[in-house]
Amino acid sequence: NAGVTQTPKFQVLKTGQSMTLQCAQDMNHEYMSWYRQDPGMGLRLIHYSVGAGITDQGEVPNGYNVSRSTTEDFPLRLLSAAPSQTSVYFCATFNYGYTFGSGTRLTVV
Amino acid sequence: AQSVTQPDIHITVSEGASLELRCNYSYGATPYLFWYVQSPGQGLQLLLKYFSGDTLVQGIKGFEAEFKRSQSSFNLRKPSVHWSDAAEYFCAVGTSSNTGKLIFGQGTTLQVKP
Repeated sequence: NAGVTQTPKFQVLKTGQSMTLQCAQDMNHEYMSWYRQDPGMGLRLIHYSVGAGITDQGEVPNGYNVSRSTTEDFPLRLLSAAPSQTSVYFCATFNYGYTFGSGTRLTVV
Repeated sequence: AQSVTQPDIHITVSEGASLELRCNYSYGATPYLFWYVQSPGQGLQLLLKYFSGDTLVQGIKGFEAEFKRSQSSFNLRKPSVHWSDAAEYFCAVGTSSNTGKLIFGQGTTLQVKP
């Protein structure tokens, strides 16, 4: 029972590059979210999904895209990375409480 | 709009001492309240949650929290801290029990002295 799996765990990007952060869950939870964590700011919601085919913006969506073609997968895309997107990214499922992945530490240089 | 404030950025306690981490929220209706713990390099783990009913809720690892509506608070407590409790603790508030649109506080880092 893996729970929420995020890949990669670490990534360094150059400004302007694109990449996709992968997130997969095996708990059959409908609700999934992406958060970013920055020092002194807690976690801020980027995008969320209430089920396959349905996504919506959170508090800080600019510069990020998501899609939800299956219940299991919820990838986060950075179209043109910027240094301000240097952060730790967490994917999570919600079912009366969050289950978090172990995070992706992204550095944009 | 909801907001969450954790007044203490960093707390140091001695092993075996009692612990209280403060959390104040702002929300006009009945809040749904959570405490999470994050060990270094790890994701967040749910300690406990309050949806309704008894205002004193018990969680994992010997933690408890009390919801006080009059004070808009949801403070986390533990009678005797262990060295393994050193971590960062986050309070969060939501507007519904079955959606994940939570607002997190800034976090409190707990250091435990031997």
